[in-house]
Amino acid sequence: DAKTTQPPSMDCAEGRAANLPCNHSTISGNEYVYWYRQIHSQGPQYIIHGLKNNETNEMASLIITEDRKSSTLILPHATLRDTAVYYCIVSNNAGNMLTFGGGTRLMVKP
Amino acid sequence: ETGVTQSPTHLIKTRGQQVTLRCSSQSGHNTVSWYQQALGQGPQFIFQYYREEENGRGNFPPRFSGLQFPNYSSELNVNALELDDSALYLCASSLLQGPLNYGYTFGSGTRLTVV
Repeated sequence: DAKTTQPPSMDCAEGRAANLPCNHSTISGNEYVYWYRQIHSQGPQYIIHGLKNNETNEMASLIITEDRKSSTLILPHATLRDTAVYYCIVSNNAGNMLTFGGGTRLMVKP
Repeated sequence: ETGVTQSPTHLIKTRGQQVTLRCSSQSGHNTVSWYQQALGQGPQFIFQYYREEENGRGNFPPRFSGLQFPNYSSELNVNALELDDSALYLCASSLLQGPLNYGYTFGSGTRLTVV
């Protein structure tokens, strides 16, 4: 699976949009971009995934660049409960494993 | 639908002992994966089980072994515990159909401390 690079930490004001970047320059054509988050002392929680097109669900939006070498996870109105470590993962949909990097520690502040 | 449940939530063992961790997968899922998460790091893949057989393994020694049962629940066994085995052990279930793996649901983990 391709390697991903994320900033180690970010801050966001409550109520504002949180934009979390991820670089995956070695992504191949059949690999998806997945986002998970892990709130302290809990297991990772699936957020969203995409292949080429932008995706949106009730939790977040995923913007993937046209060359697919980077993506951004957008939490449109961050709340204090969104404070967590966010992991960007690239994986073949048939893959039997998720390769977690260090993630981005997002701190939402009042 | 029920999620993934793990037991116990916390465990303290002595170096050299053996431990068994348990996981009940989400209803409708047919694979179980185990991950080890050391403090301050991302989870590391240990192995996955599908149809009661190992379906991929990460860089972990043979003293880490597992089982999957007909009801898709699973056990992780670790022999000859070492201090570095202290970590959060996460179980994740998923649905594997043909070549496609549809998402992973994680449990809250078992915190193992080896003293």
